[in-house]
Formats: sequence, C-alpha cells, structure tokens
Amino acid sequence: GQQLNQSPQSMFIQEGEDVSMNCTSSSIFNTWLWYKQDPGEGPVLLIALYKAGELTSNGRLTAQFGITRKDSFLNISASIPSDVGIYFCAGQEDKIIFGKGTRLHILP
Amino acid sequence: GAGVSQTPSNKVTEKGKYVELRCDPISGHTALYWYRQSLGQGPEFLIYFQGTGAADDSGLPNDRFFAVRPEGSVSTLKIQRTERGDSAVYLCASSLGTANSPLHFGNGTRLTVT
Repeated sequence: GQQLNQSPQSMFIQEGEDVSMNCTSSSIFNTWLWYKQDPGEGPVLLIALYKAGELTSNGRLTAQFGITRKDSFLNISASIPSDVGIYFCAGQEDKIIFGKGTRLHILP
Repeated sequence: GAGVSQTPSNKVTEKGKYVELRCDPISGHTALYWYRQSLGQGPEFLIYFQGTGAADDSGLPNDRFFAVRPEGSVSTLKIQRTERGDSAVYLCASSLGTANSPLHFGNGTRLTVT
C-alpha cells in the first residue's frame, strides 16, 4: 500500500532556529498536506499543496510540493515555543494517508 | 461555530466487550472519515463516508470493526469483541466533500482495552 516516510523522526532545537523536515512517498499524490498535532487534540491543517513544484507560505511556515509529486518539505523559520508538537505530512487522493510524524522539541 | 465533536473522550473497556464511538461532524459537511492513531504513529485510515454510504472502507482491519452513518450526519464506529490491540485514539474528521476540501478533525476518543 501507499507509504509516507517522514524525516527526521524527532528534532531538538533552540528557540529562534529554523527547522526543516521532509516527506517522501512510494507513490504519486495529487495533493500534499502538512498538519500539526498538539497533545490531546486532533491534527490541524497548516498548509495544502495542489500542484507539483508549488511553494506555499503560511506565516513562518513554507512548504513545497516536489516536482515528482512523491515528496514535500516543510520549513519553519525563527521557531517559537508554541511550535512544539508533532508535524505530519499527508498525501491525498480520496482519502488522506499520513506519515508517522516529526516530533519537534524546543530546548529551554 | 462548532467543530467536530467526538464522544466519549475516553473509554475503558474489558477485552471481549462491544464499544461504540460517536462522531458529530461539522454541520453541512458531507464527507466523514474515521482514523485510528496508535502511540507514536500517524493517523491510520479506517473508513470514509460520502453522505450515508461508505465510499471506502478498505482501512477497516477486520470484520470486528463496522461504521454507520444512517442519516448522513452523525457516525458511529462499532467494535465487537474488543482486543487489547484495539487500544488507540480513534479520530473522526469531516469535510465539505468537494475536491481538495480540507479535513477538520475532532479531538478523538481514547480507547483502552484492559
């Protein structure tokens, strides 16, 4: 079946640093999505990408849909404490398939 | 406005028992999804409804799992003869059902099978 591989699994960074995470797929998706999940809550959509090569920003977040349609990356600039959480990439056809997540920790 | 509501928020049951988990989608959303999330994993697709019918139930792990949406709004996920391996957070999401319409997730039901 379809699988999404996210890396890194976890990150420990200092506040103010930039963050980069990526996702690759064994198959092509027409839509790539990035979600954030806080403890005890459901995932919340951050950015949606609909075209190969598309680069989209949402505040300090920037994501790109790879040319091959099999990969995507998410960058967070100037991290702040509320960025802590789990970030999931997801590919969408009719249903959405999620990666296993990147856990972002910010060191005090 | 109200988001996706899931009840109960927590459910503890004994192995072998039957459980029902409820999802109230956002009003007007025609598409409804169930996902299961185990500790340290991403959400795993179970089933997707468009209106009253199950458009894709390929993620249901076995015939102990069943979901209904009789009036095209509220959905119930039913698990028979629960096993300890069924312990997870069960997430529900809804969307407008049009192409590229985003999914809105509830906070999930944490199921623990003892």
